[in-house]
Amino acid sequence: NAGVTQTPKFRVLKTGQSMTLLCAQDMNHEYMYWYRQDPGMGLRLIHYSVGEGTTAKGEVPDGYNVSRLKKQNFLLGLESAAPSQTSVYFCASREDTPGNTIYFGEGSWLTVV
Amino acid sequence: GDSVTQMEGPVTLSEEAFLTINCTYTATGYPSLFWYVQYPGEGLQLLLKATKADDKGSNKGFEATYRKETTSFHLEKGSVQVSDSAVYFCALPNSGNTPLVFGKGTRLSVIA
Repeated sequence: NAGVTQTPKFRVLKTGQSMTLLCAQDMNHEYMYWYRQDPGMGLRLIHYSVGEGTTAKGEVPDGYNVSRLKKQNFLLGLESAAPSQTSVYFCASREDTPGNTIYFGEGSWLTVV
Repeated sequence: GDSVTQMEGPVTLSEEAFLTINCTYTATGYPSLFWYVQYPGEGLQLLLKATKADDKGSNKGFEATYRKETTSFHLEKGSVQVSDSAVYFCALPNSGNTPLVFGKGTRLSVIA
């Protein structure tokens, strides 16, 4: 039961470097999401997708890009990392049934120095 | 828009104490309501949910009743354990395609 898998789990970047976080889900969910979690801020939505080939901005999209080329994968990119992007990133996918349970990955800890 | 307000804590309890974490919501209609739990170093996982008014969700000794009169979904447990130490999030679905709206989380620490 893989569920939602995120890679990498930990990464340290220098300011200005780029990187991509990969999220994969094996539940055939249409909806996928990227959140960031910061102390005292709760969970904030970065971008989301309602199906293959679609993406939309969430609450805090600036500095991030996403792609959903395959239904099972949702990539989050940082083109030029900044210290303000130091955070824990969570990917999630959602059932397409009433009740809308969301399933989360285990998180990716990113530090930008 | 839809929103969730929950007590922010932190909450520190002794083992076997009674737990209540308050959650109130603002929403159109009667959406499903959720409690998620995040253990240290892990992602969020669904703890329990209620899909309609007056429903009671329960799991692992935790309970929450969907009360439309008070627009609340308070989380309760009769006797907490050290292993319950975690951050608890109340949530409800947003409208359209956007996902759940989360409260800011309540950190619970249970000491032996």
